[in-house]
Amino acid sequence: NAGVTQTPKFQVLKTGQSMTLQCAQDMNHNSMYWYRQDPGMGLRLIYYSASEGTTDKGEVPNGYNVSRLNKREFSLRLESAAPSQTSVYFCASSIYPGPQETQYFGPGTRLLVL
Amino acid sequence: DQQVKQNSPSLSVQEGRISILNCDYTNSMFDYFLWYKKYPAEGPTFLISISSIKDKNEDGRFTVFLNKSAKHLSLHIVPSQPGDSAVYFCAASEYPDMRFGAGTRLTVKP
Repeated sequence: NAGVTQTPKFQVLKTGQSMTLQCAQDMNHNSMYWYRQDPGMGLRLIYYSASEGTTDKGEVPNGYNVSRLNKREFSLRLESAAPSQTSVYFCASSIYPGPQETQYFGPGTRLLVL
Repeated sequence: DQQVKQNSPSLSVQEGRISILNCDYTNSMFDYFLWYKKYPAEGPTFLISISSIKDKNEDGRFTVFLNKSAKHLSLHIVPSQPGDSAVYFCAASEYPDMRFGAGTRLTVKP
């Protein structure tokens, strides 16, 4: 049982380049999330999708777009990467939205923007 | 603004002793609180949670205490084991908002 998978594991970009981070879950969860984690800071919510067909902004959405492709997949796109977007990105899923529902996290994507 | 703070970046305890990790929050509207554990190169995993209507929740060796008047929660691990060595994040939520602390690195020495 793979749980939540993320690709790629590591990526280096130049300022201004674009890329898409992929996330997939095989637990038949309805809700999916994208977080970023920076040194000395906790995880911060970028975007979330409470259910298939919906997406909403989190705490730090600027510079990102998301697509809930289907129930399994939730991608995060950086249209024009900036050094401030250097971070570790985590995708998570839960069976339903809400903090009382356990979120299951992927292993993360480490992104370096030069 | 950091609405959730973990003021101790690290904590070291002896195997078999109690580990106490602390967390403070500023937003009185938070109504659900969680602790996650993270090993290197892995995503966080859920550990234990508590609703604002309770002041204690226990799950095996792990107990979370909530003091709403002080806006403070703590995680107690008894007895601590070397496998508990990890980074622990507290989180506080008022749906859909979820805020995390910066984490405390716990080292349990054999």
